Amino acid sequence: NAGVTQTPKFQVLKTGQSMTLQCAQDMNHEYMSWYRQDPGMGLRLIHYSVGAGITDQGEVPNGYNVSRSTTEDFPLRLLSAAPSQTSVYFCASSRDGYNEQFFGPGTRLTVL
Amino acid sequence: AQSVTQPDIHITVSEGASLELRCNYSYGATPYLFWYVQSPGQGLQLLLKYFSGDTLVQGIKGFEAEFKRSQSSFNLRKPSVHWSDAAEYFCAALMEYGNKLVFGAGTILRVKS
Repeated sequence: NAGVTQTPKFQVLKTGQSMTLQCAQDMNHEYMSWYRQDPGMGLRLIHYSVGAGITDQGEVPNGYNVSRSTTEDFPLRLLSAAPSQTSVYFCASSRDGYNEQFFGPGTRLTVL
Repeated sequence: AQSVTQPDIHITVSEGASLELRCNYSYGATPYLFWYVQSPGQGLQLLLKYFSGDTLVQGIKGFEAEFKRSQSSFNLRKPSVHWSDAAEYFCAALMEYGNKLVFGAGTILRVKS
């Protein structure tokens, strides 16, 4: 089992560019989520999904889109990157929304 | 609003000394509670969790935590700290019918030899 994988590990964007952060899990988990981590603020939930075709907003959803077409994949899209989106992004998955979440290694994103 | 508070941003302890990291939550009911650890440049690893039952829970790496309903607290403890325990520790709570995990701001643990 690879667990939760994320690509890329590092990314630098210019303001206004778009990109997709990839997340995949091989544990057949129904629940997947995206967080951003900023110094002194812990992790904040961006979007989550309770199964294929079902997504919902978390605490800080503005500027981000998600979709869930398969159980395994949960990509995060930045349509027009802004410097405020400079952060470390973590994807996580869980059997359901009540259990332990398994985290990926993270993507460090810098927006210039 | 539901929230998780970790009052200590940094803590420094000597190797072999005991450790207690504080966590308080604000929520009308008892949430599910977790402690995660993050080593530099890494993802998060679950140390332990509390759902219900015995209020003293044991985790990995010799950590334990005690849930105190009267104080809305879930403090993490270890009797003897090792240099490899240096990391950032996050308390988290699941509220509102699950699905939305709320994290504290984290406590950075430094271990001096």
